[in-house]
Formats: sequence, C-alpha cells, structure tokens
Amino acid sequence: TQLLEQSPQFLSIQEGENLTVYCNSSSVFSSLQWYRQEPGEGPVLLVTVVTGGEVKKLKRLTFQFGDARKDSSLHITAAQPGDTGLYLCAGLGTGRRALTFGSGTRLQVQP
Amino acid sequence: EAGVVQSPRYKIIEKKQPVAFWCNPISGHNTLYWYLQNLGQGPELLIRYENEEAVDDSQLPKDRFSAERLKGVDSTLKIQPAELGDSAVYLCASSLGMSSTEAFFGQGTRLTVV
Repeated sequence: TQLLEQSPQFLSIQEGENLTVYCNSSSVFSSLQWYRQEPGEGPVLLVTVVTGGEVKKLKRLTFQFGDARKDSSLHITAAQPGDTGLYLCAGLGTGRRALTFGSGTRLQVQP
Repeated sequence: EAGVVQSPRYKIIEKKQPVAFWCNPISGHNTLYWYLQNLGQGPELLIRYENEEAVDDSQLPKDRFSAERLKGVDSTLKIQPAELGDSAVYLCASSLGMSSTEAFFGQGTRLTVV
C-alpha cells in the first residue's frame, strides 16, 4: 500500500503570511497532483508534476516534486482568505491507474 | 461543458436500510472512479471503471457494497445493508482514460446513517 502523509494537518494563518505544505511517502510515484477542496464540493485539480525536481508555479502557489519522486511541497506566498480550503496531494504509483490521496492539510487564512 | 453530476447531494437513512448513489461522468470520459471520503480525510478509492469494466475493486467491501456502470456511461453505487460506519461523503470522479490521470470530481453525496 502506498501511503502519502501530509503535514501539517491544520494551519491557521493571517492574510499576507507565507506557508508551506508537505507531502511525503516512502514510495516512488510516476506523477503527483495537488487538489484543493472547499466544503461541500469535490476536489479540484491545481497542478500535476511528473519529473523529479520539477517546479511549477500557479500565481502565488509554487509546487515542487522531489528529486526521487517520493515527496512534494506546496508553497503559498502572501496567503489570502480565498486560499482557505483543504489541500490534498495525490500520487499515481507506477503501473497504477488510480490516485492515492494524502490525508489533507486544512488551511484557514484569517483576514 | 457539464461537470460530473452526482445525486442525491444528501441522504439520511436508518442502519440496515439500502441506499444507492448515482453518477453521470463528463461526456467522453472513459474512466470512472468512486471514492469514499471521511470527515477531515483524503478520498479513498472504492472502485475504478474503464468503460463498463471494473478494473480495480480491491478496496470495495463486497459483502455490502456493489457498483455497476452499464453501457460505460452512468454508474450506480449501492450499499445494502448500510451500517453506522458507512456515514461519509461518496465522491464520483471521471477522467479521459489511459492518456490522462487528471480526475474531475462531482460534488459528492453526503450519507448519514442513523
């Protein structure tokens, strides 16, 4: 079983602060995705990273895939209340066709 | 383009009763997933379909859960009989298929078993 551990589980910060969320595993993934989920909604894809060491930017969000493709991080610069939500990492194992999700990081950005 | 549609949005049933959830994936998406999400947790895969074939149902509790995807489009997930521990959000997702792993999720069905 491929497990993904996310940290921290909860994060409450003030508007304008920076933060980093981590996603770690002992398994290698062929690709890794980050989703954001709001209450009462399904997860929505933010980004997919495929290559070890890859860095992708989406406005104020920066995603990095570890060199060994076992871990990833999400960095948010100058967080805004609209960033509030549950952030989920999800990995696709080699040979598998379904995603394994992490337990999520619940982010609350206070105005 | 319409997204993944699930119904009902909410369902409250008594334990030991049956319940069914329906999912209509995005048109043209060959792959369909059913996930279970407990409060504060990430989704866990129950079953994956490629067209009408269930290709990964290893996590589906087959003693009480069943699923079908007739004609490779809509899908139904059933629980019979429901137990208190089945209370959760049931998410349906779809993707284009072999060339894509991006999953598009529906809003989910929140099941409460009392």
